[in-house]
Amino acid sequence: KNQVEQSPQSLIILEGKNCTLQCNYTVSPFSNLRWYKQDTGRGPVSLTIMTFSENTKSNGRYTATLDADTKQSSLHITASQLSDSASYICVVSDRGSTLGRLYFGRGTQLTVWP
Amino acid sequence: EADIYQTPRYLVIGTGKKITLECSQTMGHDKMYWYQQDPGMELHLIHYSYGVNSTEKGDLSSESTVSRIRTEHFPLTLESARPSHTSQYLCASSEREGEGSANEKLFFGSGTQLSVL
Repeated sequence: KNQVEQSPQSLIILEGKNCTLQCNYTVSPFSNLRWYKQDTGRGPVSLTIMTFSENTKSNGRYTATLDADTKQSSLHITASQLSDSASYICVVSDRGSTLGRLYFGRGTQLTVWP
Repeated sequence: EADIYQTPRYLVIGTGKKITLECSQTMGHDKMYWYQQDPGMELHLIHYSYGVNSTEKGDLSSESTVSRIRTEHFPLTLESARPSHTSQYLCASSEREGEGSANEKLFFGSGTQLSVL
């Protein structure tokens, strides 16, 4: 069964600190992995997209890594800011069809305190 | 950023009422999607469209229906709302390459929070 599991479910950190969010998946065949940021009451916004051949990708203070062999990804946030408080969602796409299909994780709820 | 709009943002309605959730995008994207999301849960695809006059049901069974008469417009309709329909509904659009393409981005609207009493 294709699944995407994220940990931790929730996380609280102090402003300025770093943190790392985890994503494990069993989706096969694998096409790409995306990280989205979703503010409360808003739609998700894309942070990074990585294919099989990419093992790291950065977007400002966000750095995503991918290990396709172990089917694990992480999202590292550097020097956190209050505006980083949001849900971070890991999404994996398969190559089961020409159009692909998206499998969503439940997200990690990050809270940054001043 | 994303030019995809959903209205209303919030809707509280009584059981049995007919409702339509609006979604419009100005990016000229062929592909559009409706997702349902409950608090702390993953997004579930309920409908999608590859272009005008094309609509398909998604993975999650839904009593809603959709239409795609114009490229920019993808409304979702519930003929008779029930409390079990209470959820957040997210509309999204993407470019021609397809939902799973590595070079394709999915743009989401801000969502409609629906509460059925």
